[in-house]
Amino acid sequence: AQKVTQAQTEISVVEKEDVTLDCVYETRDTTYYLFWYKQPPSGELVFLIRRNSFDEQNEISGRYSWNFQKSTSSFNFTITASQVVDSAVYFCALSEAGDTGGFKTIFGAGTRLFVKA
Amino acid sequence: EAQVTQNPRYLITVTGKKLTVTCSQNMNHEYMSWYRQDPGLGLRQIYYSMNVEVTDKGDVPEGYKVSRKEKRNFPLILESPSPNQTSLYFCASSLLGPGQGSYEQYFGPGTRLTVT
Repeated sequence: AQKVTQAQTEISVVEKEDVTLDCVYETRDTTYYLFWYKQPPSGELVFLIRRNSFDEQNEISGRYSWNFQKSTSSFNFTITASQVVDSAVYFCALSEAGDTGGFKTIFGAGTRLFVKA
Repeated sequence: EAQVTQNPRYLITVTGKKLTVTCSQNMNHEYMSWYRQDPGLGLRQIYYSMNVEVTDKGDVPEGYKVSRKEKRNFPLILESPSPNQTSLYFCASSLLGPGQGSYEQYFGPGTRLTVT
């Protein structure tokens, strides 16, 4: 059965530290999609990145980088030189074909990141 | 402005009183979905829809109904709400890409529902 595990419930860092948020997933499919979303204290959900199962290239976007490793079923997210504005809950999500077609989406429980000034 | 709207944003109701939470998107997205967010559990998918008249259950569909009569609207219906349905609800929509791939979802602002 599909599952997304974010083992870190809360992480607290001091500004300018690097921090990595872990995401481990389980899926029965060979075709699937992985996502990261950010939920700042204001409550909205903001898309950060999408990866399909055939694209294992790591990606860097400014201070954000993602490491996708199919061998370990992980899709980790690193923030370099963290800032107070990075304080939020971060969700990892897996999307795969449902039993009757369409895409089911499973979210992890989220990791709450506190960045202190 | 591209957006997903939900109404109402806040609702307090009593057990057993039927309610509907509306969701509308103006991006011509095929895919729409409802989630509930509870502390420590992340977001859990209730129902999703690949297109008009095509809906399917997510992980927690019990106690909920949906319909997709128009592409832009995807209302969530609670026929007989119970206190365990007190939660924060999000509607989302996304494109279905070439080959029907799953793309990023755009989320509404959320509806906080309290059932007493």
